Amino acid sequence: IVLTQSPGALSLSPGERATLSCRASQSVSSIYLAWYQQKPGQAPRLLIYGASSRATGIPDRFSGSGSGTDFTLTISRLEPEDFAVYYCQQYGSSPGTFGQGTKVEIK
Amino acid sequence: EVQLVESGGGLVKPGGSLRLSCAASGFTFSSYTMNWVRQAPGKGPEWVSSISGISSYILYADSVKGRVTISRDNAKNSLFLHMNSLRVEDTAVYYCARDLGDYVGLGYFDFWGQGALVTVSS
Repeated sequence: IVLTQSPGALSLSPGERATLSCRASQSVSSIYLAWYQQKPGQAPRLLIYGASSRATGIPDRFSGSGSGTDFTLTISRLEPEDFAVYYCQQYGSSPGTFGQGTKVEIK
Repeated sequence: EVQLVESGGGLVKPGGSLRLSCAASGFTFSSYTMNWVRQAPGKGPEWVSSISGISSYILYADSVKGRVTISRDNAKNSLFLHMNSLRVEDTAVYYCARDLGDYVGLGYFDFWGQGALVTVSS
């Protein structure tokens, strides 16, 4: 399954809302969709699994939604530490695959 | 505290071999499927291989099948990736990652190591 993330980059100011899209080439089984955040020089960090469940310790400003082929990660109010690259991953069909990422940058 | 620490990366010539290690601590290592995930410069992550808790199930990505071997030593809380016949396109940061999925090879990853850089170049 190929995951296509859009936009490639998003320029926003702190306090603004970010909406990131992940579209799958085929339906993702049983909402097996995760989102990760990655900062420069660091490993990815799990944010969301099961399309909408927040991982341990993730603030509630991060939320995930969607099903089938269309999924969304929303950051309700951007904090300075949220500027990073975000990846979606499907793990419902083998092999699990990642999107190419959306960079959220400071405007 | 869960910790995953990779080692063994480096510069290797095309056709060469390398062995990556991942030392785990802070959790019951044998209870978890473990993975290797790589990330080429400027690209998204790519799953490489998975191994179940007692090594009963092992999967590889098509891009590395036949050239890499994943293994683990639960007594030493360690994960390994033996890589042979390395190609320029294998250049990437290689992460070990703990798996929370329901099935081997179909998981999401809640903890990642800091990564080991593998550069394949002549």
